[in-house]
Amino acid sequence: GDSVTQMEGPVTLSEEAFLTINCTYTATGYPSLFWYVQYPGEGLQLLLKATKADDKGSNKGFEATYRKETTSFHLEKGSVQVSDSAVYFCALSDQFGNTGNQFYFGTGTSLTVIP
Amino acid sequence: GAVVSQHPSRVICKSGTSVKIECRSLDFQATTMFWYRQFPKKSLMLMATSNEGSKATYEQGVEKDKFLINHASLTLSTLTVTSAHPEDSSFYICSANQGARTEAFFGQGTRLTVV
Repeated sequence: GDSVTQMEGPVTLSEEAFLTINCTYTATGYPSLFWYVQYPGEGLQLLLKATKADDKGSNKGFEATYRKETTSFHLEKGSVQVSDSAVYFCALSDQFGNTGNQFYFGTGTSLTVIP
Repeated sequence: GAVVSQHPSRVICKSGTSVKIECRSLDFQATTMFWYRQFPKKSLMLMATSNEGSKATYEQGVEKDKFLINHASLTLSTLTVTSAHPEDSSFYICSANQGARTEAFFGQGTRLTVV
């Protein structure tokens, strides 16, 4: 079945450091891939997405490329800020499979950025 | 983007009582809503798919008589945890899809603590 494997945290970085959070997936169909962010006390917010192979999603300085050959969707940011401290979830939606718009999530990675 | 409101955000209840969690789509009609549960240090796990006007579809291992789902309108789905026990303490989150869109919109989640 479909699944997402995500780098476990917690991750602590200094401000302006480079961020990578690894994410790999297993899917039977043609999934769309997503990164969601959860700030303290809030719900999940869509950070970026990619709907087909080689697409690059980007938002707020974050980016991730849909790599079908390595079944990966790693999240990167060149220079993190304190305000980026949150929990990040990698997810897939296999909209062409029998799961419709059901999402499969990774375990989440907690990021703390220190000044 | 579309807004999904989940209420309450936190609830503490006594063992044996029932708790109702609401999930509302505020600016769109959602024919399908999903209920997830997050265990500590685990990913969000799908509990059930809620379809407006019909019975919910539960994932394997989820007790439908314990987790009652009602999707009575195109903007509201409710999850009732009946006869709650401490092991039901968890983070519950809903999501809603607008028709065939691939993006899911999430509520802010409900932290349930059963004492």
